[in-house]
Amino acid sequence: DVKVTQSSRYLVKRTGEKVFLECVQDMDHENMFWYRQDPGLGLRLIYFSYDVKMKEKGDIPEGYSVSREKKERFSLILESASTNQTSMYLCASSFTQGTQYFGPGTRLLVL
Amino acid sequence: DAKTTQPPSMDCAEGRAANLPCNHSTISGNEYVYWYRQIHSQGPQYIIHGLKNNETNEMASLIITEDRKSSTLILPHATLRDTAVYYCIVQKTSYDKVIFGPGTSLSVIP
Repeated sequence: DVKVTQSSRYLVKRTGEKVFLECVQDMDHENMFWYRQDPGLGLRLIYFSYDVKMKEKGDIPEGYSVSREKKERFSLILESASTNQTSMYLCASSFTQGTQYFGPGTRLLVL
Repeated sequence: DAKTTQPPSMDCAEGRAANLPCNHSTISGNEYVYWYRQIHSQGPQYIIHGLKNNETNEMASLIITEDRKSSTLILPHATLRDTAVYYCIVQKTSYDKVIFGPGTSLSVIP
């Protein structure tokens, strides 16, 4: 079974802190994704990566950066957390074609 | 905007078949139809996908109309654990900007 793990299920940070969210997949997938999910807005793509060291902006990249130094690991970085970044963050991975496998999500609260 | 439209909510009696419709009238020839579901507080889970033929797996069946403008996900014997939000999306490959709309909130009722 494909396994996508995220470093934390719940996280509480203060405004202005630097936040790292890590995602690891064990299926040698080329593609990895970061989404955020907010009530009434559905899932929105922040960034994705189709190879090591490669990244592409999604719909809402502002305030975020990403890092993919190894194929199995994709990190989302909030350089200076703000309250409007309180959300559920979901990581996913896939082969080139199709099915995305999601992690359990990280609920981030920025105070 | 999402390329698909789904009813916002549906109810289904436990043990009965749940039929979830999806409209994707602007689908192009090389786009697949994917279904995912999300149980409360978990990440979305893949269910099934298809291009033009009907598909079945251990979780569900997918019926795609001949013109490919709509599809139906069938859960043959719904259980309480099938209560979730179901998302229908279309995509060519996973490079596509995949848009998850609001989905259908399915409630399975005892």
